[in-house]
Amino acid sequence: AQKVTQAQTEISVVEKEDVTLDCVYETRDTTYYLFWYKQPPSGELVFLIRRNSFDEQNEISGRYSWNFQKSTSSFNFTITASQVVDSAVYFCALSPQGGSEKLVFGKGTKLTVNP
Amino acid sequence: NAGVTQTPKFQVLKTGQSMTLQCAQDMNHEYMSWYRQDPGMGLRLIHYSVGAGITDQGEVPNGYNVSRSTTEDFPLRLLSAAPSQTSVYFCASSYSIGTGGPFGQYFGPGTRLTVT
Repeated sequence: AQKVTQAQTEISVVEKEDVTLDCVYETRDTTYYLFWYKQPPSGELVFLIRRNSFDEQNEISGRYSWNFQKSTSSFNFTITASQVVDSAVYFCALSPQGGSEKLVFGKGTKLTVNP
Repeated sequence: NAGVTQTPKFQVLKTGQSMTLQCAQDMNHEYMSWYRQDPGMGLRLIHYSVGAGITDQGEVPNGYNVSRSTTEDFPLRLLSAAPSQTSVYFCASSYSIGTGGPFGQYFGPGTRLTVT
């Protein structure tokens, strides 16, 4: 069975702080994909990143970075110098190879960035 | 491209009523899915389709029906609404690039359904 755990239900930081959102996954597949989505207060789901299981390189996009470690089955997301606009619920998700029609989501982490 | 569209945006139903949530995509994606989002539960898969004429159940299919007669449309039918189906429903579409695996799902704006 596939499972995604986001142990942090809510995080509150002050603007300009760095924050890391944790994601731990379980799967027996050797090939799989991991995703992060952002859901701002307006409610839409915004795709942030996709990473396949063969690519353990860290990725940086502006203030966002992702750390994928197969050894610990983790795919953590760090926001550097957080801003109020980063306030949202963030979801980590897992998909088997060829299974992009059936993502398994974590329960999400609500991030509040205070001015 | 309009992407993934969903109608209606909001709906209130009485227990026992039936209705269809509409979902359409104009990206020629093979795969389409329905999820429901409940507070503290993340998103859970209801039904999905890997192409026209092919559908399958997800994690929480009870009380819902789907069909996929065209590539573009994937309606979700509530057969006899119950208060437990009060939720936000998201439709998504995606495609795989050859054997390269999933490219990523594109989500519609959601339908907020209340069953009283």
